[in-house]
Amino acid sequence: DQQVKQNSPSLSVQEGRISILNCDYTNSMFDYFLWYKKYPAEGPTFLISISSIKDKNEDGRFTVFLNKSAKHLSLHIVPSQPGDSAVYFCAASASETGANNLFFGTGTRLTVIP
Amino acid sequence: DTAVSQTPKYLVTQMGNDKSIKCEQNLGHDTMYWYKQDSKKFLKIMFSYNNKELIINETVPNRFSPKSPDKAHLNLHINSLELGDSAVYFCASSRRWANEQFFGPGTRLTVL
Repeated sequence: DQQVKQNSPSLSVQEGRISILNCDYTNSMFDYFLWYKKYPAEGPTFLISISSIKDKNEDGRFTVFLNKSAKHLSLHIVPSQPGDSAVYFCAASASETGANNLFFGTGTRLTVIP
Repeated sequence: DTAVSQTPKYLVTQMGNDKSIKCEQNLGHDTMYWYKQDSKKFLKIMFSYNNKELIINETVPNRFSPKSPDKAHLNLHINSLELGDSAVYFCASSRRWANEQFFGPGTRLTVL
């Protein structure tokens, strides 16, 4: 049973515009959320994270928003650049059951069109 | 100076064979992991080791056996390979109890 879901397998955005990637989770024990970025033939690389005590975390062009009541988080990329084209994975963990045990979504492929 | 490295990058083998995938990290992390990414792109944890001790063991056939000779290495040995084992296997590492994990480039295993 998938506890982290990314319902959009792909997203295309024009360069310079905002990219919004969405993620939903079902386990209310999750208290830490991460976004990873993956290029072809490479492993996922950590991008940004957020703890459940916050509802927003920003790092340069990347902002993650967390809505705990809706069990939903999103990643905003502004402005989008062609180099952002990759697969983005959402992940979650529950500190009570082991912070190291990450549950991943199936990813959203972002294409930024020049 | 690759942080997390895996060998081989590609592995093609016949059903029934036994194979190993090696992983090494030079980040000084205490915890290492193996993940499997199947054909549906679902990335799922298989094992986690902390200082050579198994701490996570998800429901994985016992044909899969991780071995950690030291905290910088976590190898994955697979016996009697089956068609369904075809996937990309990722190794990762992190500090103990840290959420951020650093991944290797993956090993694409194809079982014929």
